[in-house]
Amino acid sequence: AQSVTQLDSQVPVFEEAPVELRCNYSSSVSVYLFWYVQYPNQGLQLLLKYLSGSTLVKGINGFEAEFNKSQTSFHLRKPSVHISDTAEYFCAVSPNLHGSSNTGKLIFGQGTTLQVKP
Amino acid sequence: DGGITQSPKYLFRKEGQNVTLSCEQNLNHDAMYWYRQDPGQGLRLIYYSQIVNDFQKGDIAEGYSVSREKKESFPLTVTSAQKNPTAFYLCASSVGLVDTQYFGPGTRLTVL
Repeated sequence: AQSVTQLDSQVPVFEEAPVELRCNYSSSVSVYLFWYVQYPNQGLQLLLKYLSGSTLVKGINGFEAEFNKSQTSFHLRKPSVHISDTAEYFCAVSPNLHGSSNTGKLIFGQGTTLQVKP
Repeated sequence: DGGITQSPKYLFRKEGQNVTLSCEQNLNHDAMYWYRQDPGQGLRLIYYSQIVNDFQKGDIAEGYSVSREKKESFPLTVTSAQKNPTAFYLCASSVGLVDTQYFGPGTRLTVL
């Protein structure tokens, strides 16, 4: 079974400061990794994903994340945040199984609320 | 514009009534999913469908039912057997089960 832990439920930060949202996962099989953003009363929008290859993944809106297999982490970073980045961020994993064993199931963390202050 | 639509955005029902949430996609995706979101709990999978006329239970299927008669539609019925139905419901779709999931805007259901 897989599980995802987002270590901070809320992260307050001032505008133009850097930010890191932490995500750790547990899995006995290899996984695909995702970060989604959710603005109030809206659906989820994909920020970035790691499927294979380079461990540093760049996404939309200036976000990037680094996959660290030894630490089972996939932390999200942005060098300079804007007020418009205020939202809830979800880390998710999907097990990378073989053939028909894949269910496409996404396992989500509890979410981190990023609060950008002026 | 291609995308996923969910209707209505807000829904109120009396306790004991069944209610059906709509999800439509015009992305030509084979796979579709329903998630439930509660504050502080992330998203949990209710049902998913790999292809038309096929669907599987997720982690919290009790009290819910679905159908997949058309590729573009995956309605979710919240039955009176669901003990705590008030939540935000999100529909998603992907090309196939192992592909990236794209989400609709959600329906907030409140049972009074």
